[in-house]
Amino acid sequence: QSALTQPASVSGSPGQSITISCTGTSSDVGDYKFISWYQQRPGNAPKLMIYEGTKRPSEISHRFSGSKSGNTASLTISGLQAEDEADYYCCSYGTIVVFGGGTKLTVL
Amino acid sequence: QVQLQESGPGLVKPSETLSLTCSVSGYFIGSGYFWGWIRQPPGKGLEWIGCIYHGGNTYYNPSLRSRVTLSLDTSKNQIFLTLRSVTAADTAVYYCARDSGSWLNPIDYWGQGSLVTVSS
Repeated sequence: QSALTQPASVSGSPGQSITISCTGTSSDVGDYKFISWYQQRPGNAPKLMIYEGTKRPSEISHRFSGSKSGNTASLTISGLQAEDEADYYCCSYGTIVVFGGGTKLTVL
Repeated sequence: QVQLQESGPGLVKPSETLSLTCSVSGYFIGSGYFWGWIRQPPGKGLEWIGCIYHGGNTYYNPSLRSRVTLSLDTSKNQIFLTLRSVTAADTAVYYCARDSGSWLNPIDYWGQGSLVTVSS
């Protein structure tokens, strides 16, 4: 199973919205709802932000949302804040787990 | 609150065996869930290694399957990683986590990570 494809970097200004894409194939992202997203700040372990494509753990801000269209899953962060600057990883999970290559988010 | 803590040698020689322990608190691993390992080479992305269930079911990354063994000890609430014949490419931060497996839950709880360097 190949890694999921993410852009290497995205950027946005405070208050703006950004979207990070995660492209797979019809056999993983396209036909599968078990997609999660992680935020990783330098020196820290990844933190679960979205699971089952669109669901948010209770402690995660409503500014974070997930969606899917065809073979591409997306993470949208609205009302961008300086603290959102981090690496973000998508993940297809189950009996085999595959991560995307990661996207570095810079808040300008 | 589930907490995980990795421990083990920080330096392993090439061709030798890497062994790490993950101690779990706040949840009895014999009650359920899969428990697994993920690694991250310095400056690079995440790579899933595999996961194990207390009943013995295991799932491995196909690219590492020939060198990896996962095991657990419910009496100590610990999970173990063994990676044989290591090379410099195995240098990474190794995380243990509450994993997915056939329960199809997301990887939700992570340890803080343990840096292992492969070098002579």
